[in-house]
Amino acid sequence: EAAVTQSPRSKVAVTGGKVTLSCHQTNNHDYMYWYRQDTGHGLRLIHYSYVADSTEKGDIPDGYKASRPSQENFSLILELASLSQTAVYFCATPGTGKEVFFGKGTRLTVV
Amino acid sequence: GQQVQQSPASLVLQEGENAELQCNFSSTATRLQWFYQHPGGRLVSLFYNPSGTKHTGRLTSTTVTNERRSSLHISSSQTTDSGTYFCALNVGDNSKLIWGLGTSLVVNP
Repeated sequence: EAAVTQSPRSKVAVTGGKVTLSCHQTNNHDYMYWYRQDTGHGLRLIHYSYVADSTEKGDIPDGYKASRPSQENFSLILELASLSQTAVYFCATPGTGKEVFFGKGTRLTVV
Repeated sequence: GQQVQQSPASLVLQEGENAELQCNFSSTATRLQWFYQHPGGRLVSLFYNPSGTKHTGRLTSTTVTNERRSSLHISSSQTTDSGTYFCALNVGDNSKLIWGLGTSLVVNP
């Protein structure tokens, strides 16, 4: 089973500030994903990566950048945080059986 | 595009009652998963079930691919089953998931 670790678990950021969310996986899988979840809603894909040093846009990439410096690490970057980016963010990676495993989430509050 | 629809949107049970959650999707080429989200936010995978029936504990998932539907049955519900249940559809080869909006379950003692 993949181990997906996110940090920080929660963060309060000021509007216009820079935020970096980190994700580490130990499953050595090619694919990693960043999702956001808004209260009362399902998850939406922001960015994903299928190989180190490369990232792809998901369904809602505006306002976010991603970085995949290594197989194990995938970061989500908010260069200029906005109030609308207050949400819970999940990192995920597939397991060997095509299941997808998630980190515990990062609760981001932009004030 | 691909769509995943879940019903009911919310459900309230008394402890001990059974629940049946439904998921309908728009493609016959399915790799469907069920997830449970704890009230505190943590997501866990319940089933990867592209077809047929799978069991774990009090949970049973049945996917009928050619009818484009999957169900999650919870028997003898417990208060700790409270939370939100999502179904999600894998698309393509990259395990990208298309999510339903979830079923919010509350089990009262």
